[in-house]
Amino acid sequence: DGGITQSPKYLFRKEGQNVTLSCEQNLNHDAMYWYRQDPGQGLRLIYYSQIVNDFQKGDIAEGYSVSREKKESFPLTVTSAQKNPTAFYLCASSTPDRDELFFGSGTQLSVL
Amino acid sequence: AQRVTQPEKLLSVFKGAPVELKCNYSYSGSPELFWYVQYSRQRLQLLLRHISRESIKGFTADLNKGETSFHLKKPFAQEEDSAMYYCALLAAVDSSYKLIFGSGTRLLVRP
Repeated sequence: DGGITQSPKYLFRKEGQNVTLSCEQNLNHDAMYWYRQDPGQGLRLIYYSQIVNDFQKGDIAEGYSVSREKKESFPLTVTSAQKNPTAFYLCASSTPDRDELFFGSGTQLSVL
Repeated sequence: AQRVTQPEKLLSVFKGAPVELKCNYSYSGSPELFWYVQYSRQRLQLLLRHISRESIKGFTADLNKGETSFHLKKPFAQEEDSAMYYCALLAAVDSSYKLIFGSGTRLLVRP
């Protein structure tokens, strides 16, 4: 079953804690993305990676970090520096011509 | 600045009525635009892309460079069209590309 898998579905963070959201794809896509979805604000780009071992900051990268050690994996860490982390996080990957993004089912992060 | 604007948060129409979801963009290069849709309890997915000039599920969208718009239209709305719709712009940034989304419009089709 090809696609993008995000885990966990729900995640809770305590104050001062770092948490990591997992994103795995078996579509053999080079490019992967992390978006944050807030009500009324649409999707905002956090980080993106065009190729293994390379990534760029998106529009709201502060308080987040990523790694791209493998083509299939693009984990996102929400650090304690992110003061408003409660949101729905979407991971995506794209076809080589960037013609279409395929999305995961998302992770809802909440602060305890 | 690269930006996508969807001015309506909610659009409510009756079944059978025409639908137009507005999208305006700001981009200095040659734009590539898309509409994505998210049905209830489903993943966000591509609806259509301007470059292929296709009609999907009865929806069409024409790129108007003069008005910098890419409005999504359907002549007769169906209840199953109720969903969240996002307009998106593929923007070149240095040697890479990123997809910029608008804030989305929720379409509600009433019976």
